[in-house]
Amino acid sequence: GEDVEQSLFLSVREGDSSVINCTYTDSSSTYLYWYKQEPGAGLQLLTYIFSNMDMKQDQRLTVLLNKKDKHLSLRIADTQTGDSAIYFCAESPGYQKVTFGTGTKLQVIP
Amino acid sequence: DVKVTQSSRYLVKRTGEKVFLECVQDMDHENMFWYRQDPGLGLRLIYFSYDVKMKEKGDIPEGYSVSREKKERFSLILESASTNQTSMYLCASSFPPGVQGVHYGYTFGSGTRLTVV
Repeated sequence: GEDVEQSLFLSVREGDSSVINCTYTDSSSTYLYWYKQEPGAGLQLLTYIFSNMDMKQDQRLTVLLNKKDKHLSLRIADTQTGDSAIYFCAESPGYQKVTFGTGTKLQVIP
Repeated sequence: DVKVTQSSRYLVKRTGEKVFLECVQDMDHENMFWYRQDPGLGLRLIYFSYDVKMKEKGDIPEGYSVSREKKERFSLILESASTNQTSMYLCASSFPPGVQGVHYGYTFGSGTRLTVV
């Protein structure tokens, strides 16, 4: 079945860039997503990318997709303490079911 | 803004009790989902529904059931709560393909943290 893998933890200093990586196995993935979960809250859709794109930029967020290697990354520029959260990578073949990774906990050190 | 509302943020129940977790969305979404979230395991799909009165088992349906009598409401039922069902429960909803926009991303509720003692 489909699988989405992420490292569990990342620590960065405030003001540095953060890069969160994700690999997936489903070659029919059409949509790839990044969600953010703040403590005690549900998941919030941060951004998404279609599989026919290589890159998408949205303010401080840059998503890079290497479809050949099935590798997705999220770069957060100028990381702030408010960016501390768990970040989930997810993929979907384009219909209902979305598969989520286990989440990467980002710790921002002041 | 799309809103998905879960009726309780925190619940404490006793082993063997029947537990109802309620989820309501206000954006006329056809699809609704129940997940549980546990440390190190990420999100695991319990049940989902693509329409009123329809339900499909997810990856871990054992010990759970669901009800979808109205489009906006999707209830998760623990028939006889056990301590291994202590978890964070997340409800989500989305449009089906071809209806809205192009990414089919989910909208999540704030979660219900259930403790079974």
